[in-house]
Amino acid sequence: SQQGEEDPQALSIQEGENATMNCSYKTSINNLQWYRQNSGRGLVHLILIRSNEREKHSGRLRVTLDTSKKSSSLLITASRAADTASYFCATDERFSGGYNKLIFGAGTRLAVHP
Amino acid sequence: GAGVSQSPRYKVAKRGQDVALRCDPISGHVSLFWYQQALGQGPEFLTYFQNEAQLDKSGLPSDRFFAERPEGSVSTLKIQRTQQEDSAVYLCASIPQLGLAYEQYFGPGTRLTVT
Repeated sequence: SQQGEEDPQALSIQEGENATMNCSYKTSINNLQWYRQNSGRGLVHLILIRSNEREKHSGRLRVTLDTSKKSSSLLITASRAADTASYFCATDERFSGGYNKLIFGAGTRLAVHP
Repeated sequence: GAGVSQSPRYKVAKRGQDVALRCDPISGHVSLFWYQQALGQGPEFLTYFQNEAQLDKSGLPSDRFFAERPEGSVSTLKIQRTQQEDSAVYLCASIPQLGLAYEQYFGPGTRLTVT
């Protein structure tokens, strides 16, 4: 079963516009990560935000985390056609063996039109 | 350096056949994960290795699924007597160290189609 749910499931915008994707999750977390997946390719890590952080930036990406609402958002500013991809949030549960197992949502499919 | 590689990239199997999917993690990475991604869904955890030890196989859907990493580097995911519901992309990921929160480095995946 999947931990997170992304909203919206699909998003279509024009180049230069901003794209916002939301993620909700169910259990307490240590960290939340966002990944991007282009068609036919593997997942690429975008950003990690720790449970004690509220906001993080990386280039055109801005991630927020609200642990009280168990939700996160990913904002992509000034979008480009190359941003077209599926975006997944993933939470991790820390296990006693010292590893973090990622639990993914179903993803948001973003299409950026030139 | 080289990333995580997986082979084959595509595999078509007839129902009932056995398949073996290979993952070459980034050299020196201690942790290795396998995920299964159904069409239109996010990846779902299958199993985890710390070096050669399989510490978590809670996500393997049935006893037809078996994974190994005998020397703590290359890993193989084997599916016996494949069924149509096994059709999915199988992703492998590795992490350099234990414990701390790290991004996972994913391979391109193997797309398995069972006919």
